[in-house]
Amino acid sequence: EAQVTQNPRYLITVTGKKLTVTCSQNMNHEYMSWYRQDPGLGLRQIYYSMNVEVTDKGDVPEGYKVSRKEKRNFPLILESPSPNQTSLYFCASSSHRKASTDTQYFGPGTRLTVL
Amino acid sequence: GDSVTQMEGPVTLSEEAFLTINCTYTATGYPSLFWYVQYPGEGLQLLLKATKADDKGSNKGFEATYRKETTSFHLEKGSVQVSDSAVYFCALSDRPLGQAGTALIFGKGTTLSVSS
Repeated sequence: EAQVTQNPRYLITVTGKKLTVTCSQNMNHEYMSWYRQDPGLGLRQIYYSMNVEVTDKGDVPEGYKVSRKEKRNFPLILESPSPNQTSLYFCASSSHRKASTDTQYFGPGTRLTVL
Repeated sequence: GDSVTQMEGPVTLSEEAFLTINCTYTATGYPSLFWYVQYPGEGLQLLLKATKADDKGSNKGFEATYRKETTSFHLEKGSVQVSDSAVYFCALSDRPLGQAGTALIFGKGTTLSVSS
């Protein structure tokens, strides 16, 4: 089954404790992206990656890091989480056909709470 | 910059009622338009899309028509069911994924609640 998976689905942590949220897709997609979803703000892009070893900032990259060492994986790293990073995070992927019509496929989400 | 504006919810309907969720957009070019749906506890799923003016996207009884003259992409369904209760997001894409910047711009979402 074609899918985007994220782990963990739920995480409660404390300020300053480094964490990683994993994302994996099995569709051989080149493009992957991270979003955060906050009430009243919709979804905002954090980082995206066009291919292995190619990453770039989205609209709200501060406090986050990403890496793309393999095509299927795109982990999101919070080196020193803060309470304002409490949010619902979504990973997405898409085939890179250089068209604005490309559909992004989303993972199930990771609900992060930083105390 | 480009943006998407959706009607604020929640929208509360009885089963079999007619649904309209308004969506308007601002874009400098010719964007593609999407509706995504998020069921409780799940991720976003593409519901339908339209890639050029006057195109109609449809899926699961939902429809939306790309209206360039009114810069709108309203979502409609003739008879809603309890299982349609979810959050609906309108979105636009104004550039290929290969270009810098956010390729997919979302509205803030509209919560639909359908009761039997």
